[in-house]
Amino acid sequence: GENVEQHPSTLSVQEGDSAVIKCTYSDSASNYFPWYKQELGKRPQLIIDIRSNVGEKKDQRIAVTLNKTAKHFSLHITETQPEDSAVYFCAALSLYGQNFVFGPGTRLSVLP
Amino acid sequence: EAQVTQNPRYLITVTGKKLTVTCSQNMNHEYMSWYRQDPGLGLRQIYYSMNVEVTDKGDVPEGYKVSRKEKRNFPLILESPSPNQTSLYFCASSLGAGDNTQYFGPGTRLTVL
Repeated sequence: GENVEQHPSTLSVQEGDSAVIKCTYSDSASNYFPWYKQELGKRPQLIIDIRSNVGEKKDQRIAVTLNKTAKHFSLHITETQPEDSAVYFCAALSLYGQNFVFGPGTRLSVLP
Repeated sequence: EAQVTQNPRYLITVTGKKLTVTCSQNMNHEYMSWYRQDPGLGLRQIYYSMNVEVTDKGDVPEGYKVSRKEKRNFPLILESPSPNQTSLYFCASSLGAGDNTQYFGPGTRLTVL
C-alpha cells in the first residue's frame, strides 16, 4: 500500500522568511496530492492541492511542486506570517482507490 | 451553510461499552471517510464510502464498523471499545467524481477508560 513520509517534523522560521516542507510517496499510481493546515484545536483545512498531470501550482504565498519521477512533492510558503503557524499535513490518493494516506505532519512556527 | 457535523464532540466511556459517533453532511457528497488522529502519526483512514451501501477499509479498520444507508450520514461504530481507541476522530466528505477536495467535520475526542 501507499506510504507517505514528511520532513521536517518541526520547522521554525523568522517572519518574512520562506518555509519548505517535503513529502515522498511510494505508490506510483497516486495522482492527487493535497496539503492541509491544522491550527491548534481545529479541523484540518485544505490549503492547496495538485494532480499528477501538473508540475506546479501556486496560490498567492503558497505553492506546491510535484516531481513524479522522484515521487516527491513539496509545499512552499513565502513571506511567512505568524498566522501561518500550524501543523501541516500532506496526503496522497491512489488512482485506483479512494484511500487517502497522510504524512505524519510538520509543526511550523513562525517567529515574530 | 455547507458543513460536516459530528456528534458527540467529546465522549468518555469505559471498555466494552458500545458507542456510535455520527457524521452528517449537507453537500450531497458521494465520498465520506473516517480518520483517527494520534500524536506523531498524522491522520489515519479507518473506513471510507464511495456511495450509499458502498464501504471499504482504510489503513486501520480493526475494531470499527461503519454503515452508509443514506447519502448524508456515515456513522462510526465501536462495538467493544478498548483504551487503544482513545483518539481524536474526524469525519470528512468530498463530492467525488474527480473532485477530491475533502471537508472535515469538527472532530470527536474519545477517551476509553
